[in-house]
Amino acid sequence: GESVGLHLPTLSVQEGDNSIINCAYSNSASDYFIWYKQESGKGPQFIIDIRSNMDKRQGQRVTVLLNKTVKHLSLQIAATQPGDSAVYFCAETAGNQFYFGTGTSLTVIP
Amino acid sequence: EAQVTQNPRYLITVTGKKLTVTCSQNMNHEYMSWYRQDPGLGLRQIYYSMNVEVTDKGDVPEGYKVSRKEKRNFPLILESPSPNQTSLYFCASKRGGGMFASYEQYFGPGTRLTVT
Repeated sequence: GESVGLHLPTLSVQEGDNSIINCAYSNSASDYFIWYKQESGKGPQFIIDIRSNMDKRQGQRVTVLLNKTVKHLSLQIAATQPGDSAVYFCAETAGNQFYFGTGTSLTVIP
Repeated sequence: EAQVTQNPRYLITVTGKKLTVTCSQNMNHEYMSWYRQDPGLGLRQIYYSMNVEVTDKGDVPEGYKVSRKEKRNFPLILESPSPNQTSLYFCASKRGGGMFASYEQYFGPGTRLTVT
């Protein structure tokens, strides 16, 4: 199967600081990469996606960077807030199947 | 409100007793999928469906069945549950293929299944 991993299982940041969550993937044929946020007791929630022919995509307070050379994906959250505390997953797809990483738990310190 | 619903939310059962977890979406999405979530393993795709009467295996289909007789419903069936199927299950849906395809999956609230 696919291998989608994360560099760090946990991340703690001060409120107001920027957060960077990293993800490595292995399938060069993947054409979309997606970030999800999962709060405790809830299902994953879509944050942002990026197509494989792009290097960067911005959303509201979030930026996703894609480096295909080293097969690396990152999610940057600007001005991190307590409500950003959650587990973040990256996912990749090369068609109709989706492969998720194991997640990074982000804790925002007030 | 656009949503994916799952029932039951919690289920404790015994080995070998057939069970069905229902999933329904009200967004007219073509694509639906089932995932299981286990500690340290993240989300793994069990089955997915591109549309009515079209289903395909995901990464971990063994021990599961699905059906897609109606666009809004995608039940997950465990014919003979075993303890290794104890997990947190999520159903998801998204707009399907073609030029209107989306990669934004909407997830249900999850079903926690324990098989003893």
